[in-house]
Amino acid sequence: AQSVTQLDSQVPVFEEAPVELRCNYSSSVSVYLFWYVQYPNQGLQLLLKYLSGSTLVKGINGFEAEFNKSQTSFHLRKPSVHISDTAEYFCAVIRSSGGSNYKLTFGKGTLLTVNP
Amino acid sequence: ETGVTQSPTHLIKTRGQQVTLRCSSQSGHNTVSWYQQALGQGPQFIFQYYREEENGRGNFPPRFSGLQFPNYSSELNVNALELDDSALYLCASSHNGQGANTEAFFGQGTRLTVV
Repeated sequence: AQSVTQLDSQVPVFEEAPVELRCNYSSSVSVYLFWYVQYPNQGLQLLLKYLSGSTLVKGINGFEAEFNKSQTSFHLRKPSVHISDTAEYFCAVIRSSGGSNYKLTFGKGTLLTVNP
Repeated sequence: ETGVTQSPTHLIKTRGQQVTLRCSSQSGHNTVSWYQQALGQGPQFIFQYYREEENGRGNFPPRFSGLQFPNYSSELNVNALELDDSALYLCASSHNGQGANTEAFFGQGTRLTVV
């Protein structure tokens, strides 16, 4: 089975500051990794994903994440945040092959609050 | 906009009642997954339907059931509602019912409140 730990439940930052949202995962098999964003009263929107290749992945809205296999981490970063980035962010994994590779396993989420 | 629509957006039910939630998948997608997101938690996988058959199921009791129709839209049915069933129910649409599901598009969800 896979599990995802998001190390911070809340991250407050000031506008234009850099931010890092941390994600660690546990899996005995190869996985793909994802970051989703959820704005208030909305569904989930995919920010970026890592399937293979370069470990630095760029996504929408200026976000990027780096896959670190040895540390089983997939931290999300943005060099300069905006008020509009205020939202809940979810890290997720899925098996790359084999049984149950149809379901995403999510972390509990990190609430990013950007203050003026 | 993902092209995945869910109805209704909000719903209030009484404990013991039954509820049906609906999802229209994105055009060209043949796979629908359902997730339950309790307050303050990440989404939890309920089940997936691929070409009208259940393709996988999470750790939910049998009173959670589903259907997928020939047009690939889907329903989630919950019988004998309990207070803990109060949550946001998310539908995710994708094209690949086989292989790792890496292209899921989520709807805006249905907020179910059980009183």
